[in-house]
Amino acid sequence: GEDVEQSLFLSVREGDSSVINCTYTDSSSTYLYWYKQEPGAGLQLLTYIFSNMDMKQDQRLTVLLNKKDKHLSLRIADTQTGDSAIYFCAESNQGNTPLVFGKGTRLSVIA
Amino acid sequence: NAGVTQTPKFQVLKTGQSMTLQCAQDMNHEYMSWYRQDPGMGLRLIHYSVGAGITDQGEVPNGYNVSRSTTEDFPLRLLSAAPSQTSVYFCASSSTTTGGDGYTFGSGTRLTVV
Repeated sequence: GEDVEQSLFLSVREGDSSVINCTYTDSSSTYLYWYKQEPGAGLQLLTYIFSNMDMKQDQRLTVLLNKKDKHLSLRIADTQTGDSAIYFCAESNQGNTPLVFGKGTRLSVIA
Repeated sequence: NAGVTQTPKFQVLKTGQSMTLQCAQDMNHEYMSWYRQDPGMGLRLIHYSVGAGITDQGEVPNGYNVSRSTTEDFPLRLLSAAPSQTSVYFCASSSTTTGGDGYTFGSGTRLTVV
């Protein structure tokens, strides 16, 4: 079945850029998502990209999609302590099946 | 406020007890689902529903039952709780199964089975 892989941990200094990477196996993915989970809370949709796009920018967030390599990344510019959270990558496909989530990357921001 | 409401937020059960986790959404979403989140395991899909009267199993359905009698509600039942069901449970909804503009998640129910 489909699989979504992410590294589990990332640590950056405040003010630096963070890059969180994700790989997926389903070549028919239509949408790819990034969710953020703060401690004790549910997942919150950060952004998503349609599979026919290469890049999407939204303020401090940049999403890059390499469809050939099935690689998705989330760049957070000027990372702040409030960005400390778990970030989940998820993908959907053209069939009527639920989103497949990665295991999440825990981002720690050091002041 | 529009969104997904989960109750209770916290629950402690004894092994063998039963309970129902409630989930309600007021966005007229057709798709609803239940996930459990465990350390190092990410989110695992338990059951989902693509509309009232329709449910299907996810990755880890054993020990859980669901029903969908209305568009708004999607309760998750634990018939005989086991320590392995200690977890944080999230309900999510969307206008479509495949996400489109994304899933909306509830704030979770933290369940401990002793």
